[in-house]
Amino acid sequence: RKEVEQDPGPFNVPEGATVAFNCTYSNSASQSFFWYRQDCRKEPKLLMSVYSSGNEDGRFTAQLNRASQYISLLIRDSKLSDSATYLCVAPAITGGGNKLTFGTGTQLKVEL
Amino acid sequence: GAVVSQHPSRVICKSGTSVKIECRSLDFQATTMFWYRQFPKQSLMLMATSNEGSKATYEQGVEKDKFLINHASLTLSTLTVTSAHPEDSSFYICSAREGTPRDNEQFFGPGTRLTVL
Repeated sequence: RKEVEQDPGPFNVPEGATVAFNCTYSNSASQSFFWYRQDCRKEPKLLMSVYSSGNEDGRFTAQLNRASQYISLLIRDSKLSDSATYLCVAPAITGGGNKLTFGTGTQLKVEL
Repeated sequence: GAVVSQHPSRVICKSGTSVKIECRSLDFQATTMFWYRQFPKQSLMLMATSNEGSKATYEQGVEKDKFLINHASLTLSTLTVTSAHPEDSSFYICSAREGTPRDNEQFFGPGTRLTVL
């Protein structure tokens, strides 16, 4: 099983829609998780951190389900500018919490 | 916020040459820096972890003699791709972390796109 798994998409949604991505992780000892956003040919940028059951920031909500070992990202009222690849990130199993493992990303395309 | 720079942003070189990429934390001291590589339509793959003043720790399958990492100060790490070949063409991204592993948040540089002809 991969350390972090994501549905690659693409998710094509109309502007204003609500869209949710899921991500599963294999390291049950992980305490913190991250969602990064990566635009084409650019570096990843931190979108949200998830340390407890969830986190909300404006239109973005991240939720953590430790029992099922998955993290979700919900985007409400999608904007064209939300089009990007969203990377689910968890601490690596090896490395004593020093390293991060990146999922392959979920591509979102918001259309008019 | 924490800013990490990389230089150069893009480099094209001939096969067999060496390329040096710099990663700098501009407004904080980075106790740890990380080097990643990303091929098209794939995720970031960690190449090595670098702590200031000590040898880098390389991930399995990454040749330490080919990818030389120097972390001479708390604000600068360099990655040298020696004897580059076309298969080394990739997007190289560094990141830096200020605090302890518990903090975990890494700040990424803008990346260096390497093309080896």
